Amino acid sequence: AQSVAQPEDQVNVAEGNPLTVKCTYSVSGNPYLFWYVQYPNRGLQFLLKYITGDNLVKGSYGFEAEFNKSQTSFHLKKPSALVSDSALYFCAVRDTSGAGSYQLTFGKGTKLSVIP
Amino acid sequence: DADVTQTPRNRITKTGKRIMLECSQTKGHDRMYWYRQDPGLGLQLIYYSFDVKDINKGEISDGYSVSRQAQAKFSLSLESAIPNQTALYFCATSDRRISEQFFGPGTRLTVL
Repeated sequence: AQSVAQPEDQVNVAEGNPLTVKCTYSVSGNPYLFWYVQYPNRGLQFLLKYITGDNLVKGSYGFEAEFNKSQTSFHLKKPSALVSDSALYFCAVRDTSGAGSYQLTFGKGTKLSVIP
Repeated sequence: DADVTQTPRNRITKTGKRIMLECSQTKGHDRMYWYRQDPGLGLQLIYYSFDVKDINKGEISDGYSVSRQAQAKFSLSLESAIPNQTALYFCATSDRRISEQFFGPGTRLTVL
Protein backbone atom coordinates (compact mmCIF):
# COMPACT_ATOMS: atom_id res chain seq x y z
CA ALA A 1 0.00 0.00 0.00
CA GLN A 2 1.11 3.51 -0.70
CA SER A 3 1.17 6.26 1.90
CA VAL A 4 2.27 9.84 2.40
CA ALA A 5 3.31 11.63 5.57
CA GLN A 6 3.46 15.35 6.10
CA PRO A 7 4.99 15.54 9.57
CA GLU A 8 4.16 19.20 10.22
CA ASP A 9 0.57 20.36 10.57
CA GLN A 10 1.73 23.98 10.39
CA VAL A 11 4.82 25.82 9.24
CA ASN A 12 5.45 29.46 10.06
CA VAL A 13 8.06 31.45 8.19
CA ALA A 14 8.92 35.12 7.93
CA GLU A 15 8.42 36.86 4.62
CA GLY A 16 11.60 36.79 2.58
CA ASN A 17 13.00 33.73 4.34
CA PRO A 18 13.35 30.35 2.65
CA LEU A 19 10.57 27.87 3.29
CA THR A 20 10.43 24.08 3.38
CA VAL A 21 7.34 21.90 3.63
CA LYS A 22 8.23 18.29 4.31
CA CYS A 23 6.84 15.13 2.71
CA THR A 24 7.85 11.49 2.96
CA TYR A 25 6.26 8.60 1.12
CA SER A 26 6.04 4.84 0.99
CA VAL A 27 5.39 2.82 -2.18
CA SER A 28 6.11 -0.66 -3.50
CA GLY A 29 7.43 0.41 -6.86
CA ASN A 30 8.55 3.68 -8.33
CA PRO A 31 6.65 6.78 -7.24
CA TYR A 32 5.03 9.62 -9.05
CA LEU A 33 5.03 12.54 -6.61
CA PHE A 34 2.97 15.72 -6.60
CA TRP A 35 2.49 18.93 -4.67
CA TYR A 36 -0.80 20.79 -4.63
CA VAL A 37 -1.78 24.07 -2.97
CA GLN A 38 -5.21 25.00 -1.63
CA TYR A 39 -6.18 28.58 -0.95
CA PRO A 40 -9.21 29.30 1.27
CA ASN A 41 -12.52 28.39 -0.36
CA ARG A 42 -10.76 27.10 -3.46
CA GLY A 43 -9.99 23.76 -5.00
CA LEU A 44 -6.55 22.21 -5.13
CA GLN A 45 -4.13 23.68 -7.62
CA PHE A 46 -1.30 21.63 -9.09
CA LEU A 47 2.18 23.00 -8.28
CA LEU A 48 4.67 20.46 -9.55
CA LYS A 49 5.40 16.78 -10.05
CA TYR A 50 8.21 14.28 -10.15
CA ILE A 51 7.90 11.46 -12.64
CA THR A 52 11.45 10.60 -13.60
CA GLY A 53 14.73 12.29 -14.43
CA ASP A 54 16.25 15.23 -12.58
CA ASN A 55 15.69 15.00 -8.84
CA LEU A 56 15.12 18.75 -8.57
CA VAL A 57 11.75 19.70 -9.97
CA LYS A 58 10.69 23.29 -10.59
CA GLY A 59 7.05 24.31 -10.56
CA SER A 60 4.64 27.19 -10.41
CA TYR A 61 5.07 30.41 -8.37
CA GLY A 62 8.80 29.83 -7.78
CA PHE A 63 8.35 26.57 -5.90
CA GLU A 64 10.64 23.60 -6.32
CA ALA A 65 10.91 20.15 -4.79
CA GLU A 66 13.71 17.66 -4.43
CA PHE A 67 13.14 13.95 -4.87
CA ASN A 68 15.37 11.90 -2.56
CA LYS A 69 14.95 8.19 -3.19
CA SER A 70 17.16 7.00 -0.34
CA GLN A 71 15.24 9.08 2.19
CA THR A 72 11.88 8.55 0.41
CA SER A 73 11.25 12.28 0.63
CA PHE A 74 9.91 14.97 -1.63
CA HIS A 75 10.19 18.26 0.26
CA LEU A 76 8.72 21.45 -1.18
CA LYS A 77 10.94 24.51 -1.11
CA LYS A 78 11.00 28.16 -2.04
CA PRO A 79 14.01 30.46 -1.66
CA SER A 80 12.05 33.53 -0.53
CA ALA A 81 8.56 33.25 0.97
CA LEU A 82 5.76 35.69 0.13
CA VAL A 83 2.73 36.48 2.29
CA SER A 84 0.62 35.31 -0.65
CA ASP A 85 2.16 31.82 -0.30
CA SER A 86 0.12 31.33 2.87
CA ALA A 87 -2.13 28.36 2.13
CA LEU A 88 -2.63 24.65 2.73
CA TYR A 89 -0.16 22.40 0.92
CA PHE A 90 -0.73 18.76 0.05
CA CYS A 91 1.78 16.16 -1.02
CA ALA A 92 0.48 13.18 -3.01
CA VAL A 93 1.96 9.94 -4.28
CA ARG A 94 1.03 7.46 -6.95
CA ASP A 95 2.63 4.02 -6.96
CA THR A 96 3.38 3.03 -10.54
CA SER A 97 3.37 -0.71 -9.86
CA GLY A 98 0.68 -3.20 -9.00
CA ALA A 99 -3.05 -2.90 -8.60
CA GLY A 100 -4.23 0.56 -7.76
CA SER A 101 -1.42 2.24 -9.65
CA TYR A 102 -3.94 4.77 -10.96
CA GLN A 103 -4.73 6.12 -7.49
CA LEU A 104 -3.36 9.23 -5.78
CA THR A 105 -2.85 9.11 -2.03
CA PHE A 106 -2.73 12.49 -0.32
CA GLY A 107 -1.03 13.58 2.84
CA LYS A 108 -3.05 15.33 5.53
CA GLY A 109 -1.80 18.74 4.50
CA THR A 110 0.50 21.38 5.98
CA LYS A 111 -0.73 24.88 6.68
CA LEU A 112 1.90 27.42 5.67
CA SER A 113 1.73 30.84 7.26
CA VAL A 114 4.09 33.52 5.98
CA ILE A 115 4.45 36.32 8.49
CA PRO A 116 4.96 39.86 7.19
CA ASP B 1 -9.59 25.19 -12.24
CA ALA B 2 -12.32 26.83 -14.30
CA ASP B 3 -12.42 23.85 -16.67
CA VAL B 4 -13.88 21.68 -13.92
CA THR B 5 -17.13 22.94 -12.44
CA GLN B 6 -19.17 21.68 -9.52
CA THR B 7 -22.75 22.38 -8.54
CA PRO B 8 -23.94 23.35 -6.05
CA ARG B 9 -21.06 25.15 -4.33
CA ASN B 10 -22.79 25.05 -0.98
CA ARG B 11 -25.62 22.87 0.29
CA ILE B 12 -27.29 22.43 3.63
CA THR B 13 -29.58 19.46 4.02
CA LYS B 14 -31.19 17.30 6.66
CA THR B 15 -30.48 13.79 7.79
CA GLY B 16 -32.14 11.20 5.56
CA LYS B 17 -32.42 13.38 2.47
CA ARG B 18 -31.06 12.32 -0.90
CA ILE B 19 -28.47 14.67 -2.31
CA MET B 20 -26.78 14.84 -5.70
CA LEU B 21 -23.58 16.72 -6.39
CA GLU B 22 -22.67 17.33 -10.00
CA CYS B 23 -19.38 17.73 -11.80
CA SER B 24 -18.75 18.81 -15.37
CA GLN B 25 -15.48 19.24 -17.22
CA THR B 26 -14.45 20.78 -20.52
CA LYS B 27 -10.89 19.46 -20.45
CA GLY B 28 -11.70 16.42 -22.56
CA HIS B 29 -10.28 14.08 -19.95
CA ASP B 30 -11.49 10.51 -19.74
CA ARG B 31 -10.86 9.96 -16.04
CA MET B 32 -12.93 11.53 -13.28
CA TYR B 33 -12.79 11.26 -9.48
CA TRP B 34 -14.75 12.21 -6.38
CA TYR B 35 -12.95 13.04 -3.13
CA ARG B 36 -14.03 14.28 0.25
CA GLN B 37 -11.91 16.54 2.42
CA ASP B 38 -12.20 16.66 6.18
CA PRO B 39 -10.04 18.96 8.33
CA GLY B 40 -6.81 17.24 9.29
CA LEU B 41 -7.50 14.18 7.15
CA GLY B 42 -6.45 15.27 3.70
CA LEU B 43 -8.41 13.99 0.73
CA GLN B 44 -10.02 10.58 0.57
CA LEU B 45 -11.10 8.95 -2.67
CA ILE B 46 -14.80 8.04 -2.84
CA TYR B 47 -15.25 6.80 -6.43
CA TYR B 48 -13.42 7.03 -9.71
CA SER B 49 -14.27 6.40 -13.34
CA PHE B 50 -11.89 5.76 -16.21
CA ASP B 51 -14.61 6.05 -18.85
CA VAL B 52 -18.39 6.05 -19.11
CA LYS B 53 -18.65 2.30 -18.64
CA ASP B 54 -15.99 1.95 -15.97
CA ILE B 55 -16.81 2.95 -12.38
CA ASN B 56 -14.84 1.87 -9.35
CA LYS B 57 -15.06 2.25 -5.60
CA GLY B 58 -12.44 4.20 -3.76
CA GLU B 59 -11.41 3.93 -0.15
CA ILE B 60 -14.61 5.37 1.39
CA SER B 61 -17.51 4.51 -0.94
CA ASP B 62 -20.03 3.35 1.69
CA GLY B 63 -23.09 5.62 1.72
CA TYR B 64 -22.30 7.08 -1.71
CA SER B 65 -23.13 6.22 -5.30
CA VAL B 66 -22.06 7.74 -8.62
CA SER B 67 -23.23 8.06 -12.18
CA ARG B 68 -21.11 8.84 -15.23
CA GLN B 69 -23.69 10.26 -17.59
CA ALA B 70 -21.19 11.24 -20.27
CA GLN B 71 -17.47 11.63 -20.62
CA ALA B 72 -17.79 15.18 -19.30
CA LYS B 73 -20.22 14.56 -16.41
CA PHE B 74 -19.80 12.64 -13.17
CA SER B 75 -22.37 12.88 -10.37
CA LEU B 76 -22.09 11.86 -6.74
CA SER B 77 -25.18 10.90 -4.75
CA LEU B 78 -25.76 10.50 -1.07
CA GLU B 79 -28.78 8.20 -0.90
CA SER B 80 -29.65 9.05 2.71
CA ALA B 81 -27.45 11.78 4.08
CA ILE B 82 -26.07 11.57 7.61
CA PRO B 83 -24.26 14.22 9.68
CA ASN B 84 -20.83 12.58 9.39
CA GLN B 85 -21.02 13.15 5.63
CA THR B 86 -20.63 16.85 6.32
CA ALA B 87 -17.46 17.71 4.40
CA LEU B 88 -15.96 19.47 1.42
CA TYR B 89 -16.37 17.42 -1.75
CA PHE B 90 -14.08 17.73 -4.75
CA CYS B 91 -14.34 16.45 -8.26
CA ALA B 92 -11.13 15.93 -10.24
CA THR B 93 -10.18 14.87 -13.74
CA SER B 94 -7.13 13.49 -15.47
CA ASP B 95 -6.05 12.28 -18.86
CA ARG B 96 -4.52 8.82 -19.11
CA ARG B 97 -1.43 10.40 -20.64
CA ILE B 98 -1.06 13.01 -17.90
CA SER B 99 -0.34 11.99 -14.35
CA GLU B 100 -1.67 14.98 -12.42
CA GLN B 101 -5.29 15.57 -11.58
CA PHE B 102 -7.18 18.82 -12.02
CA PHE B 103 -9.67 19.79 -9.33
CA GLY B 104 -12.96 21.61 -9.29
CA PRO B 105 -13.71 24.38 -6.77
CA GLY B 106 -15.48 22.06 -4.35
CA THR B 107 -18.93 21.68 -2.81
CA ARG B 108 -19.36 22.40 0.87
CA LEU B 109 -22.04 20.03 2.17
CA THR B 110 -23.59 20.31 5.60
CA VAL B 111 -25.92 17.60 6.87
CA LEU B 112 -27.96 18.63 9.90
